[in-house]
Amino acid sequence: DSGVTQTPKHLITATGQRVTLRCSPRSGDLSVYWYQQSLDQGLQFLIQYYNGEERAKGNILERFSAQQFPDLHSELNLSSLELGDSALYFCASSVGLADNTDTQYFGPGTRLTVL
Amino acid sequence: GENVEQHPSTLSVQEGDSAVIKCTYSDSASNYFPWYKQELGKRPQLIIDIRSNVGEKKDQRIAVTLNKTAKHFSLHITETQPEDSAVYFCAANNNAGNMLTFGGGTRLMVKP
Repeated sequence: DSGVTQTPKHLITATGQRVTLRCSPRSGDLSVYWYQQSLDQGLQFLIQYYNGEERAKGNILERFSAQQFPDLHSELNLSSLELGDSALYFCASSVGLADNTDTQYFGPGTRLTVL
Repeated sequence: GENVEQHPSTLSVQEGDSAVIKCTYSDSASNYFPWYKQELGKRPQLIIDIRSNVGEKKDQRIAVTLNKTAKHFSLHITETQPEDSAVYFCAANNNAGNMLTFGGGTRLMVKP
């Protein structure tokens, strides 16, 4: 158990719908990251937040958005869902070192299936 | 941006043999290189990491080497056991914000 929690574990929805994935970081961690893992694209970085502020952005679609709240939990919102959005979505957290070499601990993931 | 390539994509070894997985990266500013093990349907778990100020790090049966000049790093597992069977990912950070770029993964199979 990494100490990072994610809900829900599984999500099945239809094309065009909107879903919200939730992540709680390890106690004391200020940075939260979101990754998408699909069979054809591997593990892809989406976005990073540090202490409530966006710090880095990857190839995140415009239909996707995220935020980190004052209690440091984070939510990833996926809208206008397409079949290709079906994937495992992982959240990771780290302490947030200034030299960017801090270890990232992954949560158990949310498996999203879009039908 | 950073590009990480990982080889081989699959690796089959006999129990007790050694396994080596190699990665190359493109961004000379990268300074952190973790390795994750992922079992089917589970989260990636950190097994070892190395920072650019060292060339080698060892933890029991696992070691990682880093060659910053050549921009490559390798994972070495000795005395492999069936429970080492999993997919292994290398990664490199982007110094701008510690986003990790992952290699394509290596499926390691250890035959008893």
